Amino acid sequence: GNSVTQMEGPVTLSEEAFLTINCTYTATGYPSLFWYVQYPGEGLQLLLKATKADDKGSNKGFEATYRKETTSFHLEKGSVQVSDSAVYFCALSRGTQGGSEKLVFGKGTKLTVNP
Amino acid sequence: GAVVSQHPSWVICKSGTSVKIECRSLDFQATTMFWYRQFPKQSLMLMATSNEGSKATYEQGVEKDKFLINHASLTLSTLTVTSAHPEDSSFYICQVGGGAETQYFGPGTRLLVL
Repeated sequence: GNSVTQMEGPVTLSEEAFLTINCTYTATGYPSLFWYVQYPGEGLQLLLKATKADDKGSNKGFEATYRKETTSFHLEKGSVQVSDSAVYFCALSRGTQGGSEKLVFGKGTKLTVNP
Repeated sequence: GAVVSQHPSWVICKSGTSVKIECRSLDFQATTMFWYRQFPKQSLMLMATSNEGSKATYEQGVEKDKFLINHASLTLSTLTVTSAHPEDSSFYICQVGGGAETQYFGPGTRLLVL
């Protein structure tokens, strides 16, 4: 079946530190991969995505590369800010229905960035 | 502004009562919405697919008679937890597809059953 395993948190960093949140997946075929972010009191928002092997998704300084050989999609940012404090979810797509994408999520990793 | 709203944002109820959670799509019409449940320190787990004008489809292991879903219009889906028990306490989140590869999530509803 499909599953996503991501690094357990919480993760606490100082501002301008380097961030890596590991994510590996198990899936049949080649699913699209996503990172979602949830800020306090808000719904999940798409951070970045990759739809095929070797694709690199990037947004707001975050990057993740779809690695088929290691079935991984690790999230990285070179210099985090206090405003990056949130919960990050790695996810894969099971397909779409009626314009909505069925997703399988990891457990989420809470990131706290201190000034 | 918010694209998807949920109401209530949190609810506390007594065991045996029923609780209704609303998910509204504010900016567009949606024929399909998804409902997820998240236990503490666990993944979001897909519970069911809400289909406008037809029956919801449930994931394996989810009791359809306990979690009633009604998608009465293109902008509203409701999840009713019937005869709630403490083990139903969880965080419930809805998802709406806004078109090709654009997904929106509600802020979630936290349910505590005493």
